[in-house]
Amino acid sequence: GQQLNQSPQSMFIQEGEDVSMNCTSSSIFNTWLWYKQEPGEGPVLLIALYKAGELTSNGRLTAQFGITRKDSFLNISASIPSDVGIYFCAGLSYNNNDMRFGAGTRLTVKP
Amino acid sequence: SAVISQKPSRDICQRGTSLTIQCQVDSQVTMMFWYRQQPGQSLTLIATANQGSEATYESGFVIDKFPISRPNLTFSTLTVSNMSPEDSSIYLCSVERGRSNGYTFGSGTRLTVV
Repeated sequence: GQQLNQSPQSMFIQEGEDVSMNCTSSSIFNTWLWYKQEPGEGPVLLIALYKAGELTSNGRLTAQFGITRKDSFLNISASIPSDVGIYFCAGLSYNNNDMRFGAGTRLTVKP
Repeated sequence: SAVISQKPSRDICQRGTSLTIQCQVDSQVTMMFWYRQQPGQSLTLIATANQGSEATYESGFVIDKFPISRPNLTFSTLTVSNMSPEDSSIYLCSVERGRSNGYTFGSGTRLTVV
């Protein structure tokens, strides 16, 4: 099956710092998505990307759909304590109607 | 996007028993998806549930262990049968947000088997 490799596994940063995480895949996806999960909740969609090369922002978050369609990154600028959580990349392909997830990046922000 | 109500939110169950998790959506959806998230892990798709047909299970998951019902376009259940401690996980239902727009998730059911 399709494998998503997400890194880093965890990050400990100071409030105000920028964060970058990425995902690579062994196969092509037609849609890349980034989710955030907080304790006791299901994942919440942050950004969806639909086209190779697309760069999309949502407030302090910026994500890009890689040109090869096999990778994506998520940047968070000027982090704040409420950014704490687990961030998952996910990919959708036209061949499969299901969504595959990366292993997650656990973000801790120290005030 | 759709609003999903999932219950119970958590339960502690004895091994050998079964638990049925319910997922209610506030709009009609064609496909509903059930995921498992083991402690500290990512989400793994268990099965896809279409109304009016048998659920489609992913490799490693079988109907006898995880029977699914989909009686209408707004509701689905997942049963975790004959539970063992290894079944302790968060179980999440989700629905599409529109073709190729990703999924919306319920808040999950945190299951502990003792």
